[in-house]
Amino acid sequence: SYVLTQPPSVSVAPGQTAKITCGGDNIETKGVHWYQQKPGQAPVVVVYDDVDRPSGIPERFSGSNSGNTATLTIARVEAGDEADYYCQVWDSSGEGVFGGGTKVTVL
Amino acid sequence: QAQLVQSGAEVKKPGASVKVSCRVSGYTSTTYDISWVRQAPGQGLEWMGWLNINTGNTGFAEKFQGRLTMTQNTSTRTVYMDLSSLQSDDTAVYFCAKSGWTDNWFDTWGQGTLVTVSS
Repeated sequence: SYVLTQPPSVSVAPGQTAKITCGGDNIETKGVHWYQQKPGQAPVVVVYDDVDRPSGIPERFSGSNSGNTATLTIARVEAGDEADYYCQVWDSSGEGVFGGGTKVTVL
Repeated sequence: QAQLVQSGAEVKKPGASVKVSCRVSGYTSTTYDISWVRQAPGQGLEWMGWLNINTGNTGFAEKFQGRLTMTQNTSTRTVYMDLSSLQSDDTAVYFCAKSGWTDNWFDTWGQGTLVTVSS
């Protein structure tokens, strides 16, 4: 089955840029979606189809996907961005796959 | 604006089954799927399976084959997830989530249902 690999944690100072990677075999051929989950809440999509943002998501959130790595970038990080972030794709057999999640800590 | 409202928390004994519901409101189209995603305490998200609202067809993650069932009541717009042969490692929050056929990200989530498996 398809595997997505994320770093367990990323720490960033307020106002700096956080980059969260999601590794997968030839992931650039798949549409990658990113979700933000705060404690006790359901996840919320922040980037879909590699690079698109739903309405209401700040422009500070952006995505890219190339080769074997997709990346979620959070610019000008704020305290409210502290959360767990998950990447997700659909594999070739139609099964959903999530990465293990990355905890973003704002210092 | 679509909303997904799930049933309340459950406590089950090992070996039992649990049925969790997810009612869809505020969305009149039938061109979407409902997936179930679970999250064990302190752990990440795990996709379990999907149900196509238009056809009733289902697809499951391999690890749940044989003990996971998904059904729907079209008149009440409610989707059901039935998981059998529960063990302690099935203790988790279970979410339903909506995705489109072409827009296949999870754009709407239920609030989650805690299922506790304990003797």
